[in-house]
Amino acid sequence: AQSVAQPEDQVNVAEGNPLTVKCTYSVSGNPYLFWYVQYPNRGLQFLLKYITGDNLVKGSYGFEAEFNKSQTSFHLKKPSALVSDSALYFCAVSVLTGTASKLTFGTGTRLQVTL
Amino acid sequence: KAGVTQTPRYLIKTRGQQVTLSCSPISGHRSVSWYQQTPGQGLQFLFEYFSETQRNKGNFPGRFSGRQFSNSRSEMNVSTLELGDSALYLCASSHGQVSYEQYFGPGTRLTVT
Repeated sequence: AQSVAQPEDQVNVAEGNPLTVKCTYSVSGNPYLFWYVQYPNRGLQFLLKYITGDNLVKGSYGFEAEFNKSQTSFHLKKPSALVSDSALYFCAVSVLTGTASKLTFGTGTRLQVTL
Repeated sequence: KAGVTQTPRYLIKTRGQQVTLSCSPISGHRSVSWYQQTPGQGLQFLFEYFSETQRNKGNFPGRFSGRQFSNSRSEMNVSTLELGDSALYLCASSHGQVSYEQYFGPGTRLTVT
């Protein structure tokens, strides 16, 4: 079975400082990894994904994530946080089983960016 | 290109009733997935439909069902509602391959009283 862990319920960062939101995964097979963000009373918005290739992937709004196969991690990063980045962030993994795939989400990490 | 739309946005039902939620995917997307989001359980996968066929199913009781139409629009139905079914129900569409990201609708907030 596939699973995703986001060890921090909340991350607090001052505006302008770098931010990291942690994610580790467990799958059998090659993982496809995703980050999504959710603003209050909204659905999830896609940020970025890792499929194959370069371990550092860049996504929307200046976010990037680093895939580390040996540590089974896919941490989300941003060099300089903005107050508007405050939201709920979800890491997800998908593995192909037969012809179907299923997204499994972590529990989410609330990012709070303050002035 | 229009995004994923879900109707209705808000719904209040009584225990024991049934409910049908609707989802219109992004044009050209053939896969529609449904998720339940609650504060206690987080985001849980319900099922996925691809070209009118259920391709994958999560661990939910048979009271939860769905279908997909030839135009890729999807509906999910919950029968004999329980208080614990109160949740945000999210629909997502994609091209259907494992490497493709899913695009989510705004969700339907279901409250069961």
